[in-house]
Amino acid sequence: QKEVEQNSGPLSVPEGAIASLNCTYSDRGSQSFFWYRQYSGKSPELIMSIYSNGDKEDGRFTAQLNKASQYVSLLIRDSQPSDSATYLCAGNFGNEKLTFGTGTRLTIIP
Amino acid sequence: NAGVMQNPRHLVRRRGQEARLRCSPMKGHSHVYWYRQLPEEGLKFMVYLQKENIIDESGMPKERFSAEFPKEGPSILRIQQVVRGDSAAYFCASSPRRQSEETQYFGPGTRLLVL
Repeated sequence: QKEVEQNSGPLSVPEGAIASLNCTYSDRGSQSFFWYRQYSGKSPELIMSIYSNGDKEDGRFTAQLNKASQYVSLLIRDSQPSDSATYLCAGNFGNEKLTFGTGTRLTIIP
Repeated sequence: NAGVMQNPRHLVRRRGQEARLRCSPMKGHSHVYWYRQLPEEGLKFMVYLQKENIIDESGMPKERFSAEFPKEGPSILRIQQVVRGDSAAYFCASSPRRQSEETQYFGPGTRLLVL
């Protein structure tokens, strides 16, 4: 069974610092990964997608994928209070459905 | 461009009643996925559909739950004889193609409360 695991947190980070969110997975097959942000009571919103080993940057966000070690991470630079949310890591292991981690609750402290 | 649309946004049912949740995918998207999120938990895959076809229903409970995506109209997730444990947020997502790299875009969800 394909598993995606995240630290549930909560993770507290001072405003302006770097927030680091981590995710590990158990499948070695074809993989694509997605980071979603979910505010309380709202739907998941895509932040980043990554398919290849290495880093992918988009503004303040950087996704990192290491297929040999089976982990994927999301870095948020210059954290803002509006970044406070639950971050969901999801993997697509070649069967079209997304397998989600339980999410990490991030709080940015002003 | 309208995003994924779901209705109703909130649904209250008494035990034993039926719940019908509707999802209209983004324009140009023919692949629909339903996920369920129980309180304080992550999203769990339920079913993957294309027009008139169920592709993968491995996440659907064996009883009381069914889904369809007719040629015309929205996708429907139907829960018969609801129980309190069905209370959850039900999210629909859509994508334009059947590829693992394709992003799934989520609708606002339907929050079902069973009394």
